[in-house]
Amino acid sequence: DTAVSQTPKYLVTQMGNDKSIKCEQNLGHDTMYWYKQDSKKFLKIMFSYNNKELIINETVPNRFSPKSPDKAHLNLHINSLELGDSAVYFCASSQSAEGGGKLFFGSGTQLSVL
Amino acid sequence: AQRVTQPEKLLSVFKGAPVELKCNYSYSGSPELFWYVQYSRQRLQLLLRHISRESIKGFTADLNKGETSFHLKKPFAQEEDSAMYYCALSLNTGGFKTIFGAGTRLFVKA
Repeated sequence: DTAVSQTPKYLVTQMGNDKSIKCEQNLGHDTMYWYKQDSKKFLKIMFSYNNKELIINETVPNRFSPKSPDKAHLNLHINSLELGDSAVYFCASSQSAEGGGKLFFGSGTQLSVL
Repeated sequence: AQRVTQPEKLLSVFKGAPVELKCNYSYSGSPELFWYVQYSRQRLQLLLRHISRESIKGFTADLNKGETSFHLKKPFAQEEDSAMYYCALSLNTGGFKTIFGAGTRLFVKA
């Protein structure tokens, strides 16, 4: 029973392509996030959604478009992929009533842009 | 600006030695701080949070508002503690946002 699951686990693609990463949580949480972990293992927040509504957008290029069809899902679509997009992308969720800092993470999607 | 600083990228200790992973934060509001751990080939998971004042796997962390620090400590390191450790600060800026330090890789040698 995986709490936060994201697919695919690995994604290898060419520059200029468009790709999507999906995330689902079965914890009943109301807030979901996308984080990017670069090659130096630095974790940076990209987006936060609360009850399907975009709450935080951390000056991410508009080639990245998150979509939340319902509060249990948060997908990330990336257009015109660039070399610098290569990273591990983590989905996470939390319950705002608990203060938001107690995050549950997915296992990550390793994106490699060639 | 809000910031979390972990000054050590790598910390190497012998098994049984004490370990302290440093974390300093910068935040004008009331901080809510956490330590997360990522073991090899596992997902990032919460280790402990300052408001719980608990000890998890022998680790403790005390919030020092005067020094704006939240160092993680364990008196006797074990090989299974080898992992990447992240200090994190949770903010409510009209929506919850958790920012992470750069992480410290702890390597416990036999």
